[in-house]
Amino acid sequence: DTGVSQDPRHKITKRGQNVTFRCDPISEHNRLYWYRQTLGQGPEFLTYFQNEAQLEKSRLLSDRFSAERPKGSFSTLEIQRTEQGDSAMYLCASARGDSNQPQHFGDGTRLSIL
Amino acid sequence: KQEVTQIPAALSVPEGENLVLNCSFTDSAIYNLQWFRQDPGKGLTSLLLIQSSQREQTSGRLNASLDKSSGRSTLYIAASQPGDSATYLCAVRDTGFQKLVFGTGTRLLVSP
Repeated sequence: DTGVSQDPRHKITKRGQNVTFRCDPISEHNRLYWYRQTLGQGPEFLTYFQNEAQLEKSRLLSDRFSAERPKGSFSTLEIQRTEQGDSAMYLCASARGDSNQPQHFGDGTRLSIL
Repeated sequence: KQEVTQIPAALSVPEGENLVLNCSFTDSAIYNLQWFRQDPGKGLTSLLLIQSSQREQTSGRLNASLDKSSGRSTLYIAASQPGDSATYLCAVRDTGFQKLVFGTGTRLLVSP
């Protein structure tokens, strides 16, 4: 396994701009998750994909947030009209099809809103 | 709503000590529980996963226990080393859901 890969590692943008993050899961992991983590807190769940289907979404995922996994492989998370409160680490995780397998996390994308 | 609490928030020990990190959760209807390690500015590294039907899991110097009925898990680290310094996070997956619910972590510092 090459691990979960996230790009970019850091993103600095001005308030009001749109940003997009990419996640490449471990190959053959059909489950993919997005979480958000702020300083001193544990990660909070945003959304879950099984293959290309988005099956769970948190109420944290406002209408400014959208996630896709078009071919059941990589995933993107887009934030439109960014706000100061969006500053956080965005973490992606993947897991094998067997539902009792652990989630494996990438190193995250740190978003800073100026 | 599931809530996960980790005590203590921070812990400092000299090298070589055995230590216990605690995790409690409010809803016992969990599917599994996972312990992670997080180094500053990095993602999470999975350490151990305990299924709801299991009582404990071991990996090297780490041993995690689960008492589902009382809503508690512990992570035991034997013979601690400076390289064990990190934040340790506990997370539960509720039955019927895919998401993990995390505690706020225990920040561990092991001094040489």
